[in-house]
Amino acid sequence: GAGVSQSPSNKVTEKGKDVELRCDPISGHTALYWYRQSLGQGLEFLIYFQGNSAPDKSGLPSDRFSAERTGGSVSTLTIQRTQQEDSAVYLCATRQGANTGELFFGEGSRLTVL
Amino acid sequence: QQQVKQSPQSLIVQKGGISIINCAYENTAFDYFPWYQQFPGKGPALLIAIRPDVSEKKEGRFTISFNKSAKQFSLHIMDSQPGDSATYFCAASDKLGWNAGNMLTFGGGTRLMVKP
Repeated sequence: GAGVSQSPSNKVTEKGKDVELRCDPISGHTALYWYRQSLGQGLEFLIYFQGNSAPDKSGLPSDRFSAERTGGSVSTLTIQRTQQEDSAVYLCATRQGANTGELFFGEGSRLTVL
Repeated sequence: QQQVKQSPQSLIVQKGGISIINCAYENTAFDYFPWYQQFPGKGPALLIAIRPDVSEKKEGRFTISFNKSAKQFSLHIMDSQPGDSATYFCAASDKLGWNAGNMLTFGGGTRLMVKP
């Protein structure tokens, strides 16, 4: 596709349930990031994938959060046993080149945990 | 520890006025300073960026001013328009290579409203 595609755009779930959020990156972009944006807040880094290298998981807030990227393309962010404080917009971004600073963001997946 | 501090959190400007958003950083290794614009329901998009080898960069009505000694940079929107109403994020990075994990540290955002 022309841009970063994320699904679902909206997800409402009950506390304690698991959720999966999907990101389809721009073709050819090897770097992929997940950020979290809480209501009225800035962008919180979660995890970074680059090619076949081990991901940088330093931003994941707890072990309930995990992410994978299959074949260097599609990525899935999984939140287990969701809590109300997990409610936020989860943004995926990709980058084209090593010396290019621009991140291309998707429109995000809005997660609401009841 | 918040490495990039952004102010104000919200800003209301009349059409035709100048919008000014400020950011301050702590890490002297930062060498790339972009601004992102985010409309409601959309992801952030790169607006303009600057490297520390220049003190100012202008693109249309948008200007970044950079003060390396003060570790501050700001976004000026001249002749602000209602269509500029959005949330603006400053960011900073100290490395752009492939080993850059958390390559961009974002400020907290500024919600700009331009009144017609």
